[in-house]
Amino acid sequence: QKEVEQNSGPLSVPEGAIASLNCTYSDRGSQSFFWYRQYSGKSPELIMFIYSNGDKEDGRFTAQLNKASQYVSLLIRDSQPSDSATYLCAVSHRGSQGNLIFGKGTKLSVKP
Amino acid sequence: GAVVSQHPSWVICKSGTSVKIECRSLDFQATTMFWYRQFPKQSLMLMATSNEGSKATYEQGVEKDKFLINHASLTLSTLTVTSAHPEDSSFYICSARGRAGSTGELFFGEGSRLTVL
Repeated sequence: QKEVEQNSGPLSVPEGAIASLNCTYSDRGSQSFFWYRQYSGKSPELIMFIYSNGDKEDGRFTAQLNKASQYVSLLIRDSQPSDSATYLCAVSHRGSQGNLIFGKGTKLSVKP
Repeated sequence: GAVVSQHPSWVICKSGTSVKIECRSLDFQATTMFWYRQFPKQSLMLMATSNEGSKATYEQGVEKDKFLINHASLTLSTLTVTSAHPEDSSFYICSARGRAGSTGELFFGEGSRLTVL
């Protein structure tokens, strides 16, 4: 059973702080890793994807991947109240038809 | 990014009726689309993989006769919830992988919230 685990939260951070969201996955064959943001009542929207070990930065967001530890994280710098949402970690693996396995998501709350 | 449109956004129906949800890829051709269901405060659960021109592949525990999927063209997949019951009330979301590029990310439709009375 391929699994993606996330702490459900809620994770509460003050405005301007760094929010750190973590995700672990069970399938070592996983190849691609995605972070989606989902606002309440809305469908997920892609924030970032990462394939290689290390860090990938895009604006205020940094994705970090460690395949040896089967761990992927998302850092949000200078957190804003508008960042308050549920963040979904998703993983794809070789041989799939493009389907992604999603974690249950971490709810982030950024307090003004 | 690629655009996936889903319709309707909201639907309320009586128990026993059937409801059809459409998913369209607006600016790309999608040979494969995915249908997810999400209950409140739960994660996305894959229901089925819709393949253009062939039968859908259903996940374990999903009744194919209840959730009919048709992927008649490269830009349209439909999900029909037949004989809907209150327990089918959920947020249904379709997604597709854009053919342009090979990054593998999925693009999601806006979702359809079904309420069965």
